[in-house]
Parts: sequence; C-alpha cells; structure tokens
Amino acid sequence: GQNIDQPTEMTATEGAIVQINCTYQTSGFNGLFWYQQHAGEAPTFLSYNVLDGLEEKGRFSSFLSRSKGYSYLLLKELQMKDSASYLCAVRDLGRLYFGRGTQLTVWP
Amino acid sequence: GAVVSQHPSWVICKSGTSVKIECRSLDFQATTMFWYRQFPKQSLMLMATSNEGSKATYEQGVEKDKFLINHASLTLSTLTVTSAHPEDSSFYICSAPIAGGTDTQYFGPGTRLTVL
Repeated sequence: GQNIDQPTEMTATEGAIVQINCTYQTSGFNGLFWYQQHAGEAPTFLSYNVLDGLEEKGRFSSFLSRSKGYSYLLLKELQMKDSASYLCAVRDLGRLYFGRGTQLTVWP
Repeated sequence: GAVVSQHPSWVICKSGTSVKIECRSLDFQATTMFWYRQFPKQSLMLMATSNEGSKATYEQGVEKDKFLINHASLTLSTLTVTSAHPEDSSFYICSAPIAGGTDTQYFGPGTRLTVL
C-alpha cells in the first residue's frame, strides 16, 4: 500500500518562511512532487525531486531524502496568495499517490 | 505551457442517470491519462489509468463497471459515471503526463459533480 503523511494545517505570517514536511512509505518510488491547490481548482505543479538533495525554484525549494522517506517544501517570503493546500505526491510506476494535503493560511 | 481541459466544469444530475466527463490534452499527445476523485477537504484519490487503444487500469476498490473509461484518441479520455448516486458527488480531475524529462503530470481544471 501507499502511505503518504503530511500535516493537516499550518499558519504563518506574511514575509515569513514555512516548511511543510511529508513522509512516505510506498511500494515503489520514482519521484516526489509538490503541487499547490486553491479551493475548487486543480492542482498546479510546484516542484519535483527524484534524487536526494535540495531543488530551488525562486521562493520555493523542495528537499528529498529517499533513505528516510522524507521530503519538505520550503516557502520563503510568504505572500497572502500563497494561502492554499499543498499536496505531496509520490510517483510509483507512473501513477501519482497523494497525501491529504496541508492547508496553509498566511496572515497579514 | 501544457494545457489539459475538462468538460463540463460542473454538472448536476438526478440519481440513476449517467454522466460523461471529457478530458483533453490541448497542445500535446497523451497515450496515458489519469482520473482522480477528490472529496471535500480530502486529497486526490487515483481512480484509474486511462490507456489509449487499450483497457483502463483501475485502482483497488474502484468499480470498473460504474466508472467507464474510454481513451478514444491521443488527446481525449472520457469518464462516464453510470447510474450515479448522491455518494458519487465529488470533484473529478484528470491529468496527463508530458513524456520525456520528468514526465510531470498536468491537471485539468476539474469537474464538480452533484447527484441529487
């Protein structure tokens, strides 16, 4: 089976940094993805990791440790528009398996 | 960038009727598409993998006779919810990967189904 775990909710203030963690136990692994989803909309792609280490993309960075089954998404210089659900997904044989999502609320 | 469309955006139907949802890749070909379901405040649950020219592959616990999938061409997959019931009300989202590189999946805008 696939087990992907991330916190349900997080809050932070504008301009701050927030780290959203994701742990996974899956039968196979071929990459980890982070998506952003606003309410009622489809997820949009943020980042992808397949090798251990940090991938940086502007205000967003994502880290992966395959031996620990662990990833995090780091959001810097938070803006109000970053309030959304952040989904961690593991790819196995081409299929994506998602965590429950972390609802991030950014306060002014 | 890659665009995946879905039609309709939302649909309301009576219990017992069937509803068809279309998923199209607009600027690329997709031999594989994926169908997900998302209940309120829940994550996306993979329902099935749609394969062009062959039968769909369903995830465990998903009834293939209830959720009919047809991948008619390299740019179109359809999901038909047969004999819909109120418990089928959900947000249905499709995705398609772009081959090569990371094979990142791009998602359609979703279809909100409400069964009365």
